[in-house]
Amino acid sequence: QSVLTQPPSVSGAPGQRVTISCSGSSSNIGADYDVHWYQHLPGAGPRVLIFRNSYRPSGVPDRFSGSKSGTSAFLAISGLQAEDEAEYYCQSFDTSLRWVFGGGTRLTVL
Amino acid sequence: EVQLVESGGGLVKPGGSLRLSCAASGFAFDDISMNWVRQAPGKGLEWVSSISRSSDYIFYADSVKGRFTISRDNAKNSLFLQMGSLSAEDTAVYYCASNEGYYMNIWGKGTTVTVSS
Repeated sequence: QSVLTQPPSVSGAPGQRVTISCSGSSSNIGADYDVHWYQHLPGAGPRVLIFRNSYRPSGVPDRFSGSKSGTSAFLAISGLQAEDEAEYYCQSFDTSLRWVFGGGTRLTVL
Repeated sequence: EVQLVESGGGLVKPGGSLRLSCAASGFAFDDISMNWVRQAPGKGLEWVSSISRSSDYIFYADSVKGRFTISRDNAKNSLFLQMGSLSAEDTAVYYCASNEGYYMNIWGKGTTVTVSS
């Protein structure tokens, strides 16, 4: 069981917007630790999409955005494209001195 | 090119040991803390261990504490994970990843460890 909670799956049609939630607790997200988001495609290493809650690395389209509120964080993907179909993970840090991940959310582009 | 390449995975019997390596290139390895992260079949990402740039600070997930040892050789731009007392629950793809603050900005493609008799 993952420390951070994500929905197992989300889906949307091309061009639509989807949001993936990440719920933590007072010992991680609520302790003011940043949340980061990764995209994971089969056969590849994960790729950071959003760091420090809302910042995009160079090369990540601005269709991807992140936010954080209280003990939760959110990844929004607008203008869905077929290539966005992947597994998405949130990650934070915990007061028990460990890096923590969400269980992952499978995005299906219909 | 910035790159991390893992090696050393394979098939090992329960109770056995294995040593994973991660070769870094294209960035100042000795300036960066490093991690091992794994993904068991059908499961999500699980952080395994982290080591600071000078090996002063080392952290382990409870699931591997006392069985796994992380280390690094900055002169050889290499990260290692010595794994012991392996069980089927350790079967996974193991990734090395560099730290930027508290997030992981560079990842390898992973090496597969299978624990089976």
